[in-house]
Amino acid sequence: GAVVSQHPSRVICKSGTSVKIECRSLDFQATTMFWYRQFPKKSLMLMATSNEGSKATYEQGVEKDKFLINHASLTLSTLTVTSAHPEDSSFYICSARGAGARETQYFGPGTRLLVL
Amino acid sequence: ILNVEQSPQSLHVQEGDSTNFTCSFPSSNFYALHWYRWETAKSPEALFVMTLNGDEKKKGRISATLNTKEGYSYLYIKGSQPEDSATYLCASSNSGYALNFGKGTSLLVTP
Repeated sequence: GAVVSQHPSRVICKSGTSVKIECRSLDFQATTMFWYRQFPKKSLMLMATSNEGSKATYEQGVEKDKFLINHASLTLSTLTVTSAHPEDSSFYICSARGAGARETQYFGPGTRLLVL
Repeated sequence: ILNVEQSPQSLHVQEGDSTNFTCSFPSSNFYALHWYRWETAKSPEALFVMTLNGDEKKKGRISATLNTKEGYSYLYIKGSQPEDSATYLCASSNSGYALNFGKGTSLLVTP
């Protein structure tokens, strides 16, 4: 199956700093990438959807100025958590979908963020 | 049903047992039902994508069924093995777009 990588796998940062997470599709072109977040004992929740070369679409309640998403190429999307606070500590995971596979999303392994 | 619900939350079976889990989802505006297998520290692995009512798919010892009219899907594992231990996620989508996930069923298979 298609492979999606995500980096870093874990990050610890101080409150107020910014953290960038990268999501790459390694063997296919991802026309659409999705960013999800999972809090303890909760479901994966969609944060935003990004299409290559256009602005991301954010879900209700997700601040676009805090969670900056860039999808500059067909194989790379980045999520930057700006001015991170302890409540942003969570598990962030991306998925990617190719143009030919309309239904299937392929996931990265996720990033565990801890903000102190 | 407004959200995707999965049951049971966790399951512990012996090697060789067969088992099944349930996923309930909103039947309105339904497009597709997805099953994923998620092992710790790995990427969720896509198992099945189903769109048609009555659809049944099989992958080795794992199979799934879909009822879009009543909004449920079953995942079956025949002859469970320790390597089947994982969290099984179900997600529904509208118009082939973003996924709405359940909380998952955590399966532990002991020798």
